[in-house]
Amino acid sequence: TQLLEQSPQFLSIQEGENLTVYCNSSSVFSSLQWYRQEPGEGPVLLVTVVTGGEVKKLKRLTFQFGDARKDSSLHITAAQPGDTGLYLCAGVMNRDDKIIFGKGTRLHILP
Amino acid sequence: NAGVTQTPKFRILKIGQSMTLQCTQDMNHNYMYWYRQDPGMGLKLIYYSVGAGITDKGEVPNGYNVSRSTTEDFPLRLELAAPSQTSVYFCASSYAGWQPQHFGDGTRLSIL
Repeated sequence: TQLLEQSPQFLSIQEGENLTVYCNSSSVFSSLQWYRQEPGEGPVLLVTVVTGGEVKKLKRLTFQFGDARKDSSLHITAAQPGDTGLYLCAGVMNRDDKIIFGKGTRLHILP
Repeated sequence: NAGVTQTPKFRILKIGQSMTLQCTQDMNHNYMYWYRQDPGMGLKLIYYSVGAGITDKGEVPNGYNVSRSTTEDFPLRLELAAPSQTSVYFCASSYAGWQPQHFGDGTRLSIL
């Protein structure tokens, strides 16, 4: 069974602080996707990382794909209440192009 | 752009009743998926389809059925509703298996 583990499960921090959440697996992925899900809505794609070691920035969000393509991190600088939501990572399996989702990190930014 | 549309948005069922959750997409995507999301949890794949006429089981298919007669539509059928099926159901689509998925806004289903 392939597992994609996300940590922490829950994170509650003050507005203005920095944070990092992680997505780890023992499997190698051809690419990895990050989604954000806001309350009452479906997940929405934030970014896809494809190359080992790749870093992508989306305003205050920085995504990194591990060199071995088994893990990824999301760093948020100066968190804002609008960043609140469930962050899901999803890995695309090398052998069959199927996507597996992690269970998510639930982030709450306190004003 | 409509994207992925799910109906209904909310539904309450009695134990043993049946219903169909509707999902349609207008992006000409080949792949469609059904997930359930229990409170505070991630997504669990129920069924998926790689094209019209083709469906396959996901992680938690028991108690559900699907069909894919057209590219656009992928309905999910609950035959005998049970309290364990209380959840939020999301439909998603993608052009290919490795491509990002586009999600609907979900159907919130309660079985009492």
